[in-house]
Amino acid sequence: DAGITQSPRYKITETGRQVTLMCHQTWSHSYMFWYRQDLGHGLRLIYYSAAADITDKGEVPDGYVVSRSKTENFPLTLESATRSQTSVYFCASSKGTGGLINTGELFFGEGSRLTVL
Amino acid sequence: AQSVSQHNHHVILSEAASLELGCNYSYGGTVNLFWYVQYPGQHLQLLLKYFSGDPLVKGIKGFEAEFIKSKFSFNLRKPSVQWSDTAEYFCAVNTNAGKSTFGDGTTLTVKP
Repeated sequence: DAGITQSPRYKITETGRQVTLMCHQTWSHSYMFWYRQDLGHGLRLIYYSAAADITDKGEVPDGYVVSRSKTENFPLTLESATRSQTSVYFCASSKGTGGLINTGELFFGEGSRLTVL
Repeated sequence: AQSVSQHNHHVILSEAASLELGCNYSYGGTVNLFWYVQYPGQHLQLLLKYFSGDPLVKGIKGFEAEFIKSKFSFNLRKPSVQWSDTAEYFCAVNTNAGKSTFGDGTTLTVKP
């Protein structure tokens, strides 16, 4: 039971480079989320997706792009990385309960620690 | 938009002490409420949840939380903490909008 996996777990990149963080879940949960975790800010939602081909902005979407062509994958791309995007990124999924509603119970991946130099 | 406030940023306790972590939210409609725990170096995992019914919910490892609707609160409690409870604790609120909002977290340090 793999659950939800993120890759890479650690990444160091330079300012201006494009970076893609991958997220894969095996539960067929309809909802998927990307959060960033920073000291003093808790978890902030970047983007989320209610189903394949349905995505929406969260609290801090600027500088990020997402796609969801398949239910099980939800990659997060930093098109031109900046130092302020140095963070730990968590992918999560949640089971839908019909319509555009989910239970709210989140299952998290192990996190991807990104450092932008 | 909903918001979640956790009153204690860092709590230090000795083993066997009782714990209460405060959580208040701002949202006037129906909510689902959660507490997550993040042990050092690990990902977040669910501690307990409230959807409806009995406002006193029990979770894993002896934790419980009480939902008080009139106070918009969902405080976490444990009668006797252990060193292994050292972790960061997050309160979260989910509404019918489909996304969860987290508090800033409370770091709990339990001294042996």
